[in-house]
Amino acid sequence: AQKITQTQPGMFVQEKEAVTLDCTYDTSDQSYGLFWYKQPSSGEMIFLIYQGSYDEQNATEGRYSLNFQKARKSANLVISASQLGDSAMYFCAMREGYSSASKIIFGSGTRLSIRP
Amino acid sequence: NAGVTQTPKFQVLKTGQSMTLQCAQDMNHEYMSWYRQDPGMGLRLIHYSVGAGITDQGEVPNGYNVSRSTTEDFPLRLLSAAPSQTSVYFCASSRTDPRLTGGRGETQYFGPGTRLLVL
Repeated sequence: AQKITQTQPGMFVQEKEAVTLDCTYDTSDQSYGLFWYKQPSSGEMIFLIYQGSYDEQNATEGRYSLNFQKARKSANLVISASQLGDSAMYFCAMREGYSSASKIIFGSGTRLSIRP
Repeated sequence: NAGVTQTPKFQVLKTGQSMTLQCAQDMNHEYMSWYRQDPGMGLRLIHYSVGAGITDQGEVPNGYNVSRSTTEDFPLRLLSAAPSQTSVYFCASSRTDPRLTGGRGETQYFGPGTRLLVL
């Protein structure tokens, strides 16, 4: 069974609009972490935001926020006031457990294109 | 801090050749991993290491070997390259601390990638 599901292979959004990128996950662990990464056309992977499974508040980092709905097992990324530089691939990832042996697994990604 | 470095940036191999992709980090991170990225498939974990002398298989380990003799280095070896191994390879590291309840302590830092073409 797929652990991380990103159902939107591609999205087009008008500049300055807010955008939500979907991510659902599957785990039986009570302790886990959720990440979002951005990969621009240059290829590097840029960490955006992190949410721990025990965090009571949704994580925020500047224009990025993570809409964490634990019961639904979803961890959607919200980008407010989108900019042209936000055009990139976005990956959701999950780490199960907090032991040093935990692995991080990635979704297949969503390609976001911002229109001027 | 150089962060995570990878060499080479680009490599062309013939089927059956062997080579080693180098990865090094200067952040004293315990956890290091190798991913391959293929179009439409996201990143898939090849091998990972939770510390010097300890390695384990990820999702797609076949055809690859790793070793972790030092905290800093985590080379990935292709024993006999195949066209199916044409991909972009990313090395990543993170500071693992089970006592952390959140925040950037578990952030993975990625290298710039190695683009491999196997003919």
